[in-house]
Amino acid sequence: AQSVTQLGSHVSVSEGALVLLRCNYSSSVPPYLFWYVQYPNQGLQLLLKYTTGATLVKGINGFEAEFKKSETSFHLTKPSAHMSDAAEYFCAVRPLNSGNTPLVFGKGTRLSVIA
Amino acid sequence: DVKVTQSSRYLVKRTGEKVFLECVQDMDHENMFWYRQDPGLGLRLIYFSYDVKMKEKGDIPEGYSVSREKKERFSLILESASTNQTSMYLCASSSTGYSNQPQHFGDGTRLSIL
Repeated sequence: AQSVTQLGSHVSVSEGALVLLRCNYSSSVPPYLFWYVQYPNQGLQLLLKYTTGATLVKGINGFEAEFKKSETSFHLTKPSAHMSDAAEYFCAVRPLNSGNTPLVFGKGTRLSVIA
Repeated sequence: DVKVTQSSRYLVKRTGEKVFLECVQDMDHENMFWYRQDPGLGLRLIYFSYDVKMKEKGDIPEGYSVSREKKERFSLILESASTNQTSMYLCASSSTGYSNQPQHFGDGTRLSIL
């Protein structure tokens, strides 16, 4: 079965520093890949998704993620952290040609931004 | 924009009560999902539905049931609430089509069982 691993349940960065949140998937065939953000007391909001084509995907709020097949990874980055980026981030996958099966989520990474 | 609305943001119920959590989406999506979210465990799928009157068990269906009588509405039912069902519940919807469609989430219901 497909699985997703997010390294680090909690990441802390200084304001203005690089944000790097890690995500690895388990399948030999690359799936569709998604990143979501959850602000306190809210639902999940789609940040970006990779389907096909360009491996560097740009999302909202200055975030981007790069699909690396050789590393089975889809890490999320932002060049300069802002206080408003403090939230929980979830990586999710769905196998190719799997129809509308539910997304499989990682356990999440909580990002703290220090002033 | 897709709007997924969960009827309550916060809910407090007592052990043994029958609890209904309601979810409505306004984008004519075929697929709807219920998850629970607990610290350190991420999102766990309870039930999902591909069409009216259809349902599929997710990873943790025990103690829950669902109802989908209309396309836009998907209800989660706790038959006899227990304290270990205290959690954040998230509803989501998605359209049918290519597998690259994302799921759209509501704001969640934080349920406390006393």
